Amino acid sequence: GDSVTQMEGPVTLSEEAFLTINCTYTATGYPSLFWYVQYPGEGLQLLLKATKADDKGSNKGFEATYRKETTSFHLEKGSVQVSDSAVYFCALSDRSGGYNKLIFGAGTRLAVHP
Amino acid sequence: DVKVTQSSRYLVKRTGEKVFLECVQDMDHENMFWYRQDPGLGLRLIYFSYDVKMKEKGDIPEGYSVSREKKERFSLILESASTNQTSMYLCASNGADRANEKLFFGSGTQLSVL
Repeated sequence: GDSVTQMEGPVTLSEEAFLTINCTYTATGYPSLFWYVQYPGEGLQLLLKATKADDKGSNKGFEATYRKETTSFHLEKGSVQVSDSAVYFCALSDRSGGYNKLIFGAGTRLAVHP
Repeated sequence: DVKVTQSSRYLVKRTGEKVFLECVQDMDHENMFWYRQDPGLGLRLIYFSYDVKMKEKGDIPEGYSVSREKKERFSLILESASTNQTSMYLCASNGADRANEKLFFGSGTQLSVL
């Protein structure tokens, strides 16, 4: 079945450092790809998405490009802030059976220090 | 502002109790989901519903049941709570078509079974 694999955390960075969180996927068909973020004590919220190959999703300085040839959707940010500390989840859409289900990776915790 | 509301933020129950977790969405979404979130395991789908009175098992349905009597409300039921059901439970909803595949999440219910 479809699946998502993302790098294990925690990832610890200093403020203004460059961030990469790796995400690869296995899927039949052409899923949409997502990054969700979970701040402490909150539910998940959509950070960015891409719906087809070579699309780039971006939001709040974060970017990810849908790479079909490498089945990847890595999250990047050029200069992280303390307020970016959160858990980040990569996900893909599974439309088997005609339903809009999302399959999530295990999550990567990011801690940014001043 | 669109909302998915979970009835309790924290819940403490005893082994063997019957537990109800309630979720309400105000976006007229067809699909509603219950996930559990555990450290290192990410989000795992318990059950989902694609219409009133309709339900499908997710990846880990054992020990759980669900009820959807109205479109806006989706309940998760633990028939006889056990300690291994201590977890964060997240409710989510989305639409039936690809244009509305984005999942909206509630804030979560942290359930402790003693």
